[in-house]
Formats: sequence, structure tokens, C-alpha cells
Amino acid sequence: QKEVEQDPGPLSVPEGAIVSLNCTYSNSAFQYFMWYRQYSRKGPELLMYTYSSGNKEDGRFTAQVDKSSKYISLFIRDSQPSDSATYLCAMSDAGNNRKLIWGLGTSLAVNP
Amino acid sequence: EPEVTQTPSHQVTQMGQEVILRCVPISNHLYFYWYRQILGQKVEFLVSFYNNEISEKSEIFDDQFSVERPDGSNFTLKIRSTKLEDSAMYFCASSGEFNYGYTFGSGTRLTVV
Repeated sequence: QKEVEQDPGPLSVPEGAIVSLNCTYSNSAFQYFMWYRQYSRKGPELLMYTYSSGNKEDGRFTAQVDKSSKYISLFIRDSQPSDSATYLCAMSDAGNNRKLIWGLGTSLAVNP
Repeated sequence: EPEVTQTPSHQVTQMGQEVILRCVPISNHLYFYWYRQILGQKVEFLVSFYNNEISEKSEIFDDQFSVERPDGSNFTLKIRSTKLEDSAMYFCASSGEFNYGYTFGSGTRLTVV
């Protein structure tokens, strides 16, 4: 079983829609969960960072972690064309090395 | 806002040649990393660096790879003898002591011909 699974999409939504992006994982040792946004040929940009289970909200973005189900989500409210990008989940255990294990990324297109 | 700077943005090299990819991490960060992303594939961990030494390296990071922090600001990745399969985007990242969220650079696109 792959450590982190993420549907690559593509996902196409109209402007203003609520977007739901998800990842599942197999390693119960993961404690830190991140969502990154990546534009074409650019470096990943940190959007949200969550420790352990629960919800975190930042503007139009909400991250959820359900450790019992090994499932994390990112919700984008009132999506904008500028949100069109690839969204990658990444996670790490609590070890000192902080190595991130990544999903493949979901390609999102928000259409005006 | 502080950023991680990588140079060059694109490098083309012949198979068997040595390349050095350069990074300037955020100045007060303590953890440094190199990742790579082959087109269409997942981002892969290469190496983490803390307290002036490698803290973990992946199976990819074999004897052909090395990292250095020569002067307290720069952080370099050297590939001694490049192979075609080393063609990828290489990302440098850094993180602070109390924050697991990394800041990535814009990457160096390495093309081995």
C-alpha cells in the first residue's frame, strides 16, 4: 500500500464553488499534515499546516485531519480562477528529521 | 516576506558531468532539505541537514550526491557524475526550529543530455 494517496484529477469547477481535496495515508506515525499549492514549474507554497487531528481555518481555506480514518482534506470556499494550480498534501512523523512524504497532487482548474 | 533562493533556475549538462545546485535558505532557519520532482511524479525526499550534518538521506541520495553548507548562508547539492535519470526539478527548502512547515525555493530544473 502506498504511503500517501491522492487523486490526481484533474478537477474542474466553476468560480465560486466549494472545492474538496483529499488524501489518505497508511502510516499511523504521521503527526504533521500540510497542504501545498504548486503552480506550473514553481516550488510548492505552504498553504496550511496542521498538527494531529482536528480542523484549521485560514481565510477561504479549511484543513481537516481525521487520524482515526487516516484521511485529510482541504476545502476551498468561494473558489477563484487564481486558485487554479496543483494541490499537494504532505505529511511527516514526529521524528527529528522532518522528512515529508508527498501525495501526487491534484490538478484544479477554476473556470470563470 | 523571507524566501528561499535557488540558482540557477535551469541547468543543462552532459551525462557524466558534475553539477552544483545552489540555495540560500531563510536566514534564521535551522533545518535544510533537498527534494526533487521528476515530471509527472511525486515530490521525493533526498536529504535533510541540521546542525551542519546530514540528519537523514534517502536511497536516491547515493555516493554521487553530496551536500554542503560552506559559509553559513549557502546550501549546495552536488551531483558528481550526472545520469539521464537525474533530470528533474530540484527543490531546496528550509524550516525553523518550532515550525514544521517548510518554505521551498522556486527550484532548479536540471536537464541531463
